[in-house]
Amino acid sequence: NAGVTQTPKFRILKIGQSMTLQCTQDMNHNYMYWYRQDPGMGLKLIYYSVGAGITDKGEVPNGYNVSRSTTEDFPLRLELAAPSQTSVYFCASTPVGLRSNEQYFGPGTRLTVT
Amino acid sequence: GENVEQHPSTLSVQEGDSAVIKCTYSDSASNYFPWYKQELGKGPQLIIDIRSNVGEKKDQRIAVTLNKTAKHFSLHITETQPEDSAVYFCAANPEYGNKLVFGAGTILRVKS
Repeated sequence: NAGVTQTPKFRILKIGQSMTLQCTQDMNHNYMYWYRQDPGMGLKLIYYSVGAGITDKGEVPNGYNVSRSTTEDFPLRLELAAPSQTSVYFCASTPVGLRSNEQYFGPGTRLTVT
Repeated sequence: GENVEQHPSTLSVQEGDSAVIKCTYSDSASNYFPWYKQELGKGPQLIIDIRSNVGEKKDQRIAVTLNKTAKHFSLHITETQPEDSAVYFCAANPEYGNKLVFGAGTILRVKS
């Protein structure tokens, strides 16, 4: 298994541009998550999904959108990028089950908005 | 909602010494407490976790302790090695769903 993969690894956006961060997992996990990581701030949950067709907001959803059309894919959309969205973005997934709390993280996407 | 505080923010130890990182949580309903290790340029990876019905768990040089009454839990690394140098995050799982609330992280440096 490749686990959780994210593309691109790095991206520089101009203010007002939009982009989609891709996330795919091949472990047949139902739960998927998007986090952003700012220096000294830990990981903040942006959006999460408990299965295909179901998404919900996390702690910091403003400026982002998600969709979950398949079990494998959970893209994160940034509309009208702002400097405050400069961050490292991580996608994660979790299986469903009694011992299913472990989250498996992708390698991250480093985004700079200038 | 749940709030997790983590201390210290940075920790330097000599190789072979022990390292302890502490976290406190606010929601007494939280029942799962994982620790993640993040190496430079990579995503976090689970190293150990503990559930609320257990007070301590060990895995080789790593141990986690949980005090539910005081709402705090700690990561203990013994006989530290240079490869233990990384950022460590604690987290708590509130009762609702499978979401985790993370602490701000601890940068651990092991000096050889």
